[in-house]
Amino acid sequence: DTEVTQTPKHLVMGMTNKKSLKCEQHMGHRAMYWYKQKAKKPPELMFVYSYEKLSINESVPSRFSPECPNSSLLNLHLHALQPEDSALYLCASSQVGLAWDTQYFGPGTRLTVL
Amino acid sequence: DQQVKQNSPSLSVQEGRISILNCDYTNSMFDYFLWYKKYPAEGPTFLISISSIKDKNEDGRFTVFLNKSAKHLSLHIVPSQPGDSAVYFCAAIPANAGGTSYGKLTFGQGTILTVHP
Repeated sequence: DTEVTQTPKHLVMGMTNKKSLKCEQHMGHRAMYWYKQKAKKPPELMFVYSYEKLSINESVPSRFSPECPNSSLLNLHLHALQPEDSALYLCASSQVGLAWDTQYFGPGTRLTVL
Repeated sequence: DQQVKQNSPSLSVQEGRISILNCDYTNSMFDYFLWYKKYPAEGPTFLISISSIKDKNEDGRFTVFLNKSAKHLSLHIVPSQPGDSAVYFCAAIPANAGGTSYGKLTFGQGTILTVHP
């Protein structure tokens, strides 16, 4: 089973709202990732968690706040977003986060900020 | 600064023929390369990977070739099938001196493959 699940599938929010994206995997992976993908662009890495600790933050604005409550769950808390933050948000996981670990992606959450 | 480039935005191939998707990179620190396939409204699906110590890796209909001196890799799909129609992303990961890089995937722009019946 190489499934990564993400909820919700679609999210529409105003600029003053607070919302959260959720990601879950039950493959025993210890590394989890958030990517952002704009239309007709490749996915761009936002955050990496390895063993529930934040390993990489790719200079993401503080209105995006990641959280890894346990090894199976990864959240992305959203607050005071801008319309340009509208995108597909992808979660991925890999065994331990080493260079040669394959990353398995979820289906994504399509976010629209009004 | 685009470190991974897929210069062909689209490729159209007849069913049963070979599809060749190309990818170039500029960062000599990249050590591990992957190909992902993506259907609309889905996340990328891993296809095949290759380490920089190899020049070829094969998995069924998919073969990836790596030419380190040219900083070029290609994905061959033989024979192509209509179900292969999707966006194909090339991705690369650097390895630091310790051999770990926490999976910092850098993706190319993608190539839309259309396989006609």
